Amino acid sequence: NAGVTQTPKFRVLKTGQSMTLLCAQDMNHEYMYWYRQDPGMGLRLIHYSVGEGTTAKGEVPDGYNVSRLKKQNFLLGLESAAPSQTSVYFCASSYFGLAGEEGYNEQFFGPGTRLTVL
Amino acid sequence: GQQVMQIPQYQHVQEGEDFTTYCNSSTTLSNIQWYKQRPGGHPVFLIQLVKSGEVKKQKRLTFQFGEAKKNSSLHITATQTTDVGTYFCLYSGAGSYQLTFGKGTKLSVIP
Repeated sequence: NAGVTQTPKFRVLKTGQSMTLLCAQDMNHEYMYWYRQDPGMGLRLIHYSVGEGTTAKGEVPDGYNVSRLKKQNFLLGLESAAPSQTSVYFCASSYFGLAGEEGYNEQFFGPGTRLTVL
Repeated sequence: GQQVMQIPQYQHVQEGEDFTTYCNSSTTLSNIQWYKQRPGGHPVFLIQLVKSGEVKKQKRLTFQFGEAKKNSSLHITATQTTDVGTYFCLYSGAGSYQLTFGKGTKLSVIP
């Protein structure tokens, strides 16, 4: 199993350009997440999905859109990139969010995409 | 709103010394998970704590969840260079699905 994969690994954009980050998982997980990681800020949730065809906003959704057309894929789009979106982006997935009395299922992370917006 | 502080932000230790990171909340937490991220890598799940007063051990790592479910700690005994990385807590408030990461504690181990 490949686990969680992310495409691309690196990207440099100019302000105003658009791009899509692709996340794929082969573990049949229901839940998928997009985070951004900035120095000193930890990981912040951008959007998440609790199943195919559903998406929801996280802590920092502005400037991003997402789609979950297939269970195994979760796409993150930047319509008009800004320098403030320079960051490392991580995708994660989990079997379900809530695992009853055992709390939440663990999240499996992809290797990350390092995005620079000039 | 929920306030969770993860401290310290950085910790430099001599190899063989102990290390502890804390996540402290102003309100009751539903559960807490701990992750480790190696330099240049991605977060990897370590453990989850759900019950009040819970203590779990993984070799040299000891995880605790406070009696009031407002505090949690990760303690490493006799650190090794392989322990280098950033340790994050991931928490949710009681009655809330919203999961939030702490800002992390970056551990450096001096050989």
